[in-house]
Amino acid sequence: NAGVMQNPRHLVRRRGQEARLRCSPMKGHSHVYWYRQLPEEGLKFMVYLQKENIIDESGMPKERFSAEFPKEGPSILRIQQVVRGDSAAYFCASSGDRDGYTFGSGTRLTVV
Amino acid sequence: QQQVKQSPQSLIVQKGGISIINCAYENTAFDYFPWYQQFPGKGPALLIAIRPDVSEKKEGRFTISFNKSAKQFSLHIMDSQPGDSATYFCAAGGGNEKLTFGTGTRLTIIP
Repeated sequence: NAGVMQNPRHLVRRRGQEARLRCSPMKGHSHVYWYRQLPEEGLKFMVYLQKENIIDESGMPKERFSAEFPKEGPSILRIQQVVRGDSAAYFCASSGDRDGYTFGSGTRLTVV
Repeated sequence: QQQVKQSPQSLIVQKGGISIINCAYENTAFDYFPWYQQFPGKGPALLIAIRPDVSEKKEGRFTISFNKSAKQFSLHIMDSQPGDSATYFCAAGGGNEKLTFGTGTRLTIIP
């Protein structure tokens, strides 16, 4: 069991570019969550998805951010027109119906 | 109402000592209280979790104490070791819903 796989591990983008972060949940897990962690801070919830459905996006900024979890393939967190304030570590977690969360190793986004 | 307050921000404990980290929550609808351990450059890893129907849970050197009436829970690490040096996060939530995290405690175990 490969665990939750996130890629890339590190991503550098210039201001105004798009960032795409990918997350493959653990085998058998149908729930995916995205969190953002700023340096020296805790994790902040962004969005909760199940296959083809967004269940809770209350933590997502209203503009430039979107997430999907298609029927086939990984979950994608997309940030359009990145700004310096988007620099952070983005963590994906997955869970099964009765399991606790398992986190991936994260994608560290740097906007230059 | 969704906040989880964690203290202390940092903690230094001598090897062999007891490390204690405290958290308090506000939302009485929370029914799942996990603790996560995070090493630099890694994702958080589930350490131990508790539900409100018990007041204490122990797994090896790690114990969660839970006080439902006070809306507080704490992590105790017995016989602390240098390998326990990490950042610890408490969290609260539902079983399969979003978690609300505390701000973290940076624990350093010194020889």
